[in-house]
Amino acid sequence: AQSVTQLGSHVSVSEGALVLLRCNYSSSVPPYLFWYVQYPNQGLQLLLKYTTGATLVKGINGFEAEFKKSETSFHLTKPSAHMSDAAEYFCAVRGPDFNKFYFGSGTKLNVKP
Amino acid sequence: DAGVTQSPTHLIKTRGQQVTLRCSPKSGHDTVSWYQQALGQGPQFIFQYYEEEERQRGNFPDRFSGHQFPNYSSELNVNALLLGDSALYLCASSSMGTGGKVDYGYTFGSGTRLTVV
Repeated sequence: AQSVTQLGSHVSVSEGALVLLRCNYSSSVPPYLFWYVQYPNQGLQLLLKYTTGATLVKGINGFEAEFKKSETSFHLTKPSAHMSDAAEYFCAVRGPDFNKFYFGSGTKLNVKP
Repeated sequence: DAGVTQSPTHLIKTRGQQVTLRCSPKSGHDTVSWYQQALGQGPQFIFQYYEEEERQRGNFPDRFSGHQFPNYSSELNVNALLLGDSALYLCASSSMGTGGKVDYGYTFGSGTRLTVV
């Protein structure tokens, strides 16, 4: 079965600090993993994805994530937070038939000045 | 290049009524998926349309139905609305890859906020 767990529904960091958003997944097949960002009153924007190959994936806006199979994790990081990073972040895994995604419940990132 | 377009952006309906939401996919995409995002939760898969057929369905009752047109646009219909149907409804388009598998991450629209009173 496919599922995603995002640890921490709210994360608060200071501007310039490291951002770390946690995601653990469960998948019955080799996972395809995604991080999306949602700004208020908007849809979801793809930040980055892991399909196969290199386990460290770089995305837009300076974000990156590392696929760790042994830990079933796909944590999202950014070395230095910016005020514009304040949003809600969703981790997702594709289902075995590849036709639907399973999303976590989201983590709201607050960036303090 | 237009992305995914959804209409209307907001909608208020009364319990028991019916509603139709519309989606135009991103240019070059042929597959449309619908998701329901309740307040404070992640999106949940409703169904997906490809070649004008429902390819996959999530755990939603038959009150939720859809359609895809030859130009790849899609509609989501919900009958006999319940208060619990209040949510943001997201349309996501993608391109069906080889072997019937979607190779690319979705492109999401901004959603339709449905409020049932």
